[in-house]
Amino acid sequence: GAGVSQSPSNKVTEKGKDVELRCDPISGHTALYWYRQSLGQGLEFLIYFQGNSAPDKSGLPSDRFSAERTGGSVSTLTIQRTQQEDSAVYLCASSSGLNEKLFFGSGTQLSVL
Amino acid sequence: AQSVTQLGSHVSVSEGALVLLRCNYSSSVPPYLFWYVQYPNQGLQLLLKYTSAATLVKGINGFEAEFKKSETSFHLTKPSAHMSDAAEYFCAVTHGSGNTGKLIFGQGTTLQVKP
Repeated sequence: GAGVSQSPSNKVTEKGKDVELRCDPISGHTALYWYRQSLGQGLEFLIYFQGNSAPDKSGLPSDRFSAERTGGSVSTLTIQRTQQEDSAVYLCASSSGLNEKLFFGSGTQLSVL
Repeated sequence: AQSVTQLGSHVSVSEGALVLLRCNYSSSVPPYLFWYVQYPNQGLQLLLKYTSAATLVKGINGFEAEFKKSETSFHLTKPSAHMSDAAEYFCAVTHGSGNTGKLIFGQGTTLQVKP
């Protein structure tokens, strides 16, 4: 596609529910990143995929967070048993390779009530 | 460990005035440094980056930044502000892994441009 697409753009959920956030990277981009933007913590790296290599999960805040990337393209970030502190904008970015320019999506605004 | 500090969460300038957004970094390895801009309801866009070549880096929309190792700074400037420059600006440093997509961001500076 023309840019990084994220869905949904907004998600409201109840505490304790699971949520899935989707990212469609730019076609052909081998690297995909998830970031979180929250009022308290600012912009934080979560996880990174590069080609068929094992993902770099070093930024995931707890084991309630997981992500997968199927077929080297679409990625899904899953948050289990959501908590109010998970409320944030979740940003996805992709690039054509390591050390190449990042292109960000518009994000998913997650609100946990 | 790497970190970034942006001085001033809000900066207000008049249209046509100089824009100066401050960023100081801490890095245990030679850093790669970035400035990103976020317009309302849009994703982050790369303004410019420093990757150990020229210390004065020119970016899009007339912005530039100078890497000063002695001051551990990477301040963003633009000689003359436009109304369209109103946005949130983020300074970032690489995590240390050499992967320029894995970044540590500052808290951001909101730029207001007054007519």
